Amino acid sequence: AQSVAQPEDQVNVAEGNPLTVKCTYSVSGNPYLFWYVQYPNRGLQFLLKYITGDNLVKGSYGFEAEFNKSQTSFHLKKPSALVSDSALYFCAVRPYGGATNKLIFGTGTLLAVQP
Amino acid sequence: GAGVSQSPSNKVTEKGKDVELRCDPISGHTALYWYRQSLGQGLEFLIYFQGNSAPDKSGLPSDRFSAERTGGSVSTLTIQRTQQEDSAVYLCASSLESGGEAFFGQGTRLTVV
Repeated sequence: AQSVAQPEDQVNVAEGNPLTVKCTYSVSGNPYLFWYVQYPNRGLQFLLKYITGDNLVKGSYGFEAEFNKSQTSFHLKKPSALVSDSALYFCAVRPYGGATNKLIFGTGTLLAVQP
Repeated sequence: GAGVSQSPSNKVTEKGKDVELRCDPISGHTALYWYRQSLGQGLEFLIYFQGNSAPDKSGLPSDRFSAERTGGSVSTLTIQRTQQEDSAVYLCASSLESGGEAFFGQGTRLTVV
């Protein structure tokens, strides 16, 4: 079965420190990988995606993510966290060339950045 | 429009009534998705459209749920004989192509009383 795992329900980090939000996936074939952010009472916003090419992708608000094929991971990172980064983060995968193009989402990780 | 538009933004209905939720995708986007998000939960896939056809409707939880898309644009999600467990935020998203990123609407918050 195709799936996405976000092993941490919540990540706490102090402002100014680097942050990592973990994501691993299980799909057949090559994946398209995405990160979304959801602020309270708002819809999901696209952050970044990996399709092909450089394993390190850069996205909005200073976030980046590294695709690791051998570890089937796509962890979200930021060198210096801001209090305003506090939100719910979702990893998603779309299998390439499969029977369906639906996005499969992880369960989300709540990022709390303390001042 | 500039983004994905969903209506209504909030809907309160009595148990047993039917409801229709509407999604206007970004113009030109061929793929359209419906998801459901319950309080404190992740996103539950419901159905995916490519054009007017639905190659994947595996996430519809029961035969009370149905969806259609007309003209390759507007989509309607219908829930018949609503139950309290149907209460959730229903999110619609569209993407330019099947491999591209999806853009989400603000959602419809459905409350069944």
